[in-house]
Amino acid sequence: NAGVMQNPRHLVRRRGQEARLRCSPMKGHSHVYWYRQLPEEGLKFMVYLQKENIIDESGMPKERFSAEFPKEGPSILRIQQVVRGDSAAYFCASFLKGVPQPQHFGDGTRLSIL
Amino acid sequence: ELKVEQNPLFLSMQEGKNYTIYCNYSTTSDRLYWYRQDPGKSLESLFVLLSNGAVKQEGRLMASLDTKARLSTLHITAAVHDLSATYFCAVDGNSGGSNYKLTFGKGTLLTVNP
Repeated sequence: NAGVMQNPRHLVRRRGQEARLRCSPMKGHSHVYWYRQLPEEGLKFMVYLQKENIIDESGMPKERFSAEFPKEGPSILRIQQVVRGDSAAYFCASFLKGVPQPQHFGDGTRLSIL
Repeated sequence: ELKVEQNPLFLSMQEGKNYTIYCNYSTTSDRLYWYRQDPGKSLESLFVLLSNGAVKQEGRLMASLDTKARLSTLHITAAVHDLSATYFCAVDGNSGGSNYKLTFGKGTLLTVNP
């Protein structure tokens, strides 16, 4: 499967725990976006990363949220000390810059906070 | 701040009927996208519209773009049940820039009834 791979598909955490969401972009893509989808809403941009660089994190909450895209391995979205309001679907998308094409989305991680 | 508004948000149609979903956006943009999302699933790219007057068709769906009016339409012809899904439009608000992050509308939940 050469598409965008996200894992886990479903993640349950208790309040105060940490959540780690992983995303491997499509082969050859070095640009990754994270979006959050709350129930009954569209997707909201969180962060844009290239390998080893955060390009735009204007959509990320200032506290508890962080993202990285290391030279080797998947991109990670990390949420510390989760709260009920963090319950959402988190989607990763990858993109080949310079080519007019849509972003390709993974299947998402559904995060539930107990 | 770029805003994207879709209407209607809910659309219930009978099979065989035609209808149009509208997508307005607030600033100039090079690219407009339409995505489909089935419940609990990822986003599937339907159309990429790159220039004023662009029209694209796939099966019973046709999308158009008017950059002067900042309006895109998604027209459904002779709807069938399989088209039931949520449809999102999204705009890349960095005209001439390098960010490519997407701003989404809230989505149109389409239900096609037999």
